[in-house]
Amino acid sequence: GAVVSQHPSWVICKSGTSVKIECRSLDFQATTMFWYRQFPKQSLMLMATSNEGSKATYEQGVEKDKFLINHASLTLSTLTVTSAHPEDSSFYICSARDEGETQYFGPGTRLLVL
Amino acid sequence: GDSVTQMEGPVTLSEEAFLTINCTYTATGYPSLFWYVQYPGEGLQLLLKATKADDKGSNKGFEATYRKETTSFHLEKGSVQVSDSAVYFCALTSNTGGFKTIFGAGTRLFVKA
Repeated sequence: GAVVSQHPSWVICKSGTSVKIECRSLDFQATTMFWYRQFPKQSLMLMATSNEGSKATYEQGVEKDKFLINHASLTLSTLTVTSAHPEDSSFYICSARDEGETQYFGPGTRLLVL
Repeated sequence: GDSVTQMEGPVTLSEEAFLTINCTYTATGYPSLFWYVQYPGEGLQLLLKATKADDKGSNKGFEATYRKETTSFHLEKGSVQVSDSAVYFCALTSNTGGFKTIFGAGTRLFVKA
């Protein structure tokens, strides 16, 4: 089946630094990737939809200058959390959609900002 | 807007018990329906899906039937195992609104030996 990877799986950083998370579709091309945020024991919250070669579409309430998304190729999207603060600590999950409707999810990246 | 409502957890069952996790939805258009499973510390895995009314999705002993008349997609398994302990998310993807996926709140399942 289709595989989506995320890197890193864990990251701990100091407050004020920026963190980049990569999302790759390993065996298929994904014109659309999605970024989600999940708080402990809660559901996934869609942050943004990332389309290859164009600007990401952010959900209401998500700061686009805070969460920079780049989708430079059909197999790679990146999420950069800029000037991270402790409240940005969360589990970030990406997904990639194939030519059909099925989304394949990455294993997630756990971010801890000290 | 589109939404998914699933039964609150946690659900605690003994091994070999019957499992039902209820899920209902509201959507414009004709959504596809999904169940995802999340094991502790991991991302989501697609468990099963159904793309049109009366379709039954099934996988690993789990099954769910797309009921348009009751706007439901309840998850069932005849005999649960300890290894089924996880969080289960019901979700829909609608062909309106850019194929966004809307998730339910998730239902945590504990299976005791």
